[in-house]
Amino acid sequence: DQQVKQNSPSLSVQEGRISILNCDYTNSMFDYFLWYKKYPAEGPTFLISISSIKDKNEDGRFTVFLNKSAKHLSLHIVPSQPGDSAVYFCAASWRGSARQLTFGSGTQLTVLP
Amino acid sequence: DGGITQSPKYLFRKEGQNVTLSCEQNLNHDAMYWYRQDPGQGLRLIYYSQIVNDFQKGDIAEGYSVSREKKESFPLTVTSAQKNPTAFYLCASSMGSADSGRVTDTQYFGPGTRLTVL
Repeated sequence: DQQVKQNSPSLSVQEGRISILNCDYTNSMFDYFLWYKKYPAEGPTFLISISSIKDKNEDGRFTVFLNKSAKHLSLHIVPSQPGDSAVYFCAASWRGSARQLTFGSGTQLTVLP
Repeated sequence: DGGITQSPKYLFRKEGQNVTLSCEQNLNHDAMYWYRQDPGQGLRLIYYSQIVNDFQKGDIAEGYSVSREKKESFPLTVTSAQKNPTAFYLCASSMGSADSGRVTDTQYFGPGTRLTVL
């Protein structure tokens, strides 16, 4: 039973345009959400996070939106750059799970020059 | 430079042998984690430790063992009982707290070890 789902395995976007990566979750206890970027054969790199008391968090070109009623979060990258091409994972945690992270299956983003 | 190191980068072992993967961090983090990634899948939690001399099983602990004798180190042993050990193994750490009270507890990852069983 996947508690965190990324339904799009891949996404292609033109350089300079907006990339929108989506993530859905089923466990209403989750209160902290993170996005990681991963290149092949490397460890994930933390990008941005959001706690459930907020609905938006920005860091440079990256913005994460949280819709708790829909149990949905999204990562916006504006403008997209070829170096953004990687696999993006969303993850979630809650206090009762000792802050273990539950990961989605990832979305491969390709930014075309 | 603060960070998490994993060694070796690539590891080969014969079927039936135990192998230990190293994970060291100098971030002064209390909590450490081991994940496994298989092709086309997300990361799955093997074991985690919130404090020295204590660790808990994750979702897929069967066939694995860990120890946490020092704050900086959290080695993972893949035993011969693990049915499908070939995978990419990732270690992570976070500031953590004894009562998991920290909400914004971000995990930071090492570079990973690719284990191949021949």
